[in-house]
Amino acid sequence: SQQGEEDPQALSIQEGENATMNCSYKTSINNLQWYRQNSGRGLVHLILIRSNEREKHSGRLRVTLDTSKKSSSLLITASRAADTASYFCATEAGGGNKLTFGTGTQLKVEL
Amino acid sequence: DAMVIQNPRYQVTQFGKPVTLSCSQTLNHNVMYWYQQKSSQAPKLLFHYYDKDFNNEADTPDNFQSRRPNTSFCFLDIRSPGLGDAAMYLCATSRDAAGKGNEQYFGPGTRLTVT
Repeated sequence: SQQGEEDPQALSIQEGENATMNCSYKTSINNLQWYRQNSGRGLVHLILIRSNEREKHSGRLRVTLDTSKKSSSLLITASRAADTASYFCATEAGGGNKLTFGTGTQLKVEL
Repeated sequence: DAMVIQNPRYQVTQFGKPVTLSCSQTLNHNVMYWYQQKSSQAPKLLFHYYDKDFNNEADTPDNFQSRRPNTSFCFLDIRSPGLGDAAMYLCATSRDAAGKGNEQYFGPGTRLTVT
């Protein structure tokens, strides 16, 4: 299946540190998106990167995409306790209207 | 504020007793999705509607049905819930096809417990 694998599964850091999460996928994509999910809540869209883009920024977020390696990374700089959540990558491929989500990284930012 | 609303937030049903989860949106989006998410797992797409066109995922059990009576509302019906259907059910919308680079907007989810 197209489902992405995320690495690491869990990450614990101190406030102020940077957090990096990685996502790998299997087939060609149209775009890749990152979502955040607080415990017991719905997902919130963070950033979208198209297949012809290599890097994108949004506030403290930096996303890179390497289509040759079929991988993406999400960097959160100067993390805050409020960044504690699960982060999922999701890929859109082909002509369909759907996303396939990765397995997620649980980030814990401690004070 | 425009949003995706799911009711109820928590639903308890008995084994084999039909249950309906509801989703409404004020975003006027064309596409509505239903996902199942089990603990510590990725959301799994069950089906989606593009306007009135229903698109079922190949591995979605027949036990799961959906209705979209109008643009704003979409329902998930579980005809005979089993213990394995206990999960968080997430509704999402997007303005148009995801392939056009549209993000999905998620509701808060309904946590289903089967006793």
